[in-house]
Amino acid sequence: DTVLTQSPALAVSPGERVTISCRASESVSTRMHWYQQKPGQQPKLLIYGASNLESGVPARFSGSGSGTDFTLTIDPVEANDTATYFCQQSWNDPTFGSGTKLEIK
Amino acid sequence: QVTLKESGPGMLQPSQTLSLTCTFSGTSLSTSNMGLSWLRQPSGKGLEWLASIWNNDNYYNPSLRSRLTISKETSKNQVLLKFTSMEPADTATYYCAWDPPYDGYYPFAYWGQGTLVTVSS
Repeated sequence: DTVLTQSPALAVSPGERVTISCRASESVSTRMHWYQQKPGQQPKLLIYGASNLESGVPARFSGSGSGTDFTLTIDPVEANDTATYFCQQSWNDPTFGSGTKLEIK
Repeated sequence: QVTLKESGPGMLQPSQTLSLTCTFSGTSLSTSNMGLSWLRQPSGKGLEWLASIWNNDNYYNPSLRSRLTISKETSKNQVLLKFTSMEPADTATYYCAWDPPYDGYYPFAYWGQGTLVTVSS
């Protein structure tokens, strides 16, 4: 299995820039995707292929990286971005990171 | 617009077999490069991929393969999952999701709302 490691939690103020990281245990090329999940809801796709913005997702969200190191950036952060963010690789059998819980102060 | 909806028993006892149904609209399993997947998420925890069905091929999470069977009923727009020997640790919200080919990538772009399955005696 390809293990994806994310930092567990972050807290930022509205208007700030936040980067959420995801590190893969082996190269996944650019086959990395990012999801937002709010309590009681299903995950929502934000970024696919490491850097491609899903249709309808605000341009405040962006992704970068390749190989083993990836980042999701939200700039500027808004209050309703409070959520848990998951990375997922599709290089081989799909696996997910454990999620980064983002708190807006 | 693609929509997916999961249905299941809600609660079952240890050792029983879980049967889940994903009913979808807006696409068809007879379309090439059309696949559906099952995933799960214990409360407050991360996501785990369980199985996928693509065209006529089935794929399983290796750690759960012996307990899982995925199948489809194309005419009903349904994908089914059977999960044997359920135990309390399998308590989770179970999701079906569609991973369409986005520029050669296959992210889980569409999700059902999920169905909570509780395993308890």
